[in-house]
Amino acid sequence: EAGVTQFPSHSVIEKGQTVTLRCDPISGHDNLYWYRRVMGKEIKFLLHFVKESKQDESGMPNNRFLAERTGGTYSTLKVQPAELEDSGVYFCASSSTSGVPGELFFGEGSRLTVL
Amino acid sequence: EDQVTQSPEALRLQEGESSSLNCSYTVSGLRGLFWYRQDPGKGPEFLFTLYSAGEEKEKERLKATLTKKESFLHITAPKPEDSATYLCAVQARGRRALTFGSGTRLQVQP
Repeated sequence: EAGVTQFPSHSVIEKGQTVTLRCDPISGHDNLYWYRRVMGKEIKFLLHFVKESKQDESGMPNNRFLAERTGGTYSTLKVQPAELEDSGVYFCASSSTSGVPGELFFGEGSRLTVL
Repeated sequence: EDQVTQSPEALRLQEGESSSLNCSYTVSGLRGLFWYRQDPGKGPEFLFTLYSAGEEKEKERLKATLTKKESFLHITAPKPEDSATYLCAVQARGRRALTFGSGTRLQVQP
């Protein structure tokens, strides 16, 4: 069974540019999460999808971040325009509604560097 | 606001030297406390869920315990392959979001 896959693994962009990160969850997982770790800080929650609906987006830092989940399958996280403080590692995770609570399956992350 | 504090930040052990990692938490109604392991360049990997004070879970050389204010991850006779960052996270009732601590970086030397 394929795990959670994220693309790209690393992206380097200039301040003011746009970047789109993609996440393919484990097949059949209705729950999809985005988290991020900025330098020296703990992993922080961004938002949670159930199928194609946003259930909780309380962690989104501002309106430069836009997340979508097309047809309840893969998800994208767009940052536009990117700022220096957006640099960090963005993790996607998925889980089954019937699975163990708190058992999230994480991807390897997308490292974003904004210059 | 939910908060998780882990200590120590880093720990170096000799192979076979047992020790414990600490996770202190404050949360508005605990739904669950979770331990994850993270290897360099990888995403966190789920280890345990604990729901209530007094509960314990074991997996190989790891045992997690929970009180009303903290959790411990006990590592018995560790091996070099146990080297990783161990993350603690809490989930409040009514929410799916996890609040993570900053982790303990464990290094086990042969």
